[in-house]
Amino acid sequence: DGGITQSPKYLFRKEGQNVTLSCEQNLNHDAMYWYRQDPGQGLRLIYYSQIVNDFQKGDIAEGYSVSREKKESFPLTVTSAQKNPTAFYLCASSTGGTDLNQPQHFGDGTRLSIL
Amino acid sequence: KNQVEQSPQSLIILEGKNCTLQCNYTVSPFSNLRWYKQDTGRGPVSLTIMTFSENTKSNGRYTATLDADTKQSSLHITASQLSDSASYICVVSSFNDYKLSFGAGTTVTVRA
Repeated sequence: DGGITQSPKYLFRKEGQNVTLSCEQNLNHDAMYWYRQDPGQGLRLIYYSQIVNDFQKGDIAEGYSVSREKKESFPLTVTSAQKNPTAFYLCASSTGGTDLNQPQHFGDGTRLSIL
Repeated sequence: KNQVEQSPQSLIILEGKNCTLQCNYTVSPFSNLRWYKQDTGRGPVSLTIMTFSENTKSNGRYTATLDADTKQSSLHITASQLSDSASYICVVSSFNDYKLSFGAGTTVTVRA
């Protein structure tokens, strides 16, 4: 079955440590996204990529970095510069292009906590 | 600033009853409005997508309505089941870019 796989399900970060969250999709989607979800708030966009080897900052990109070397993969690194990284991180993908009416498909998230 | 406001924040209903969730938005220019269902600890799953020309769309026991003039949408759940317990998120898209504006969600708890 096609879908989005995020790993790990749970992740713990030590002070000063960088951690990388994995996101893989087999939907053949061009566009991929990373969101952060905090209790009582709507999802906030961290980074997005419309095509391989290209990505754009979202609304809260500070302290995060991404790469898009392959169409199916869009890993997110939470750097030590992100002072409040505890959150639920969601990866999504869509067909992208000019059709904005296509749904975004989400993975099942990674919950990141501070040790 | 594009905003999406959902109400109520949470609600509890008895199994078999109906309920209606509300979504008001200020996103402009409007492209489409989506409702997602998010189970605890899982990613959101799309229920419906409506463009400005559509005023109602159904997906099983879920029926979404849209009034683009008043910038309001509702999601009606008919004959609720225990599996309907989840957070329901309203998401609005603008023609300007690929970004989506997310509401904070309404948490629905269905009790036997």
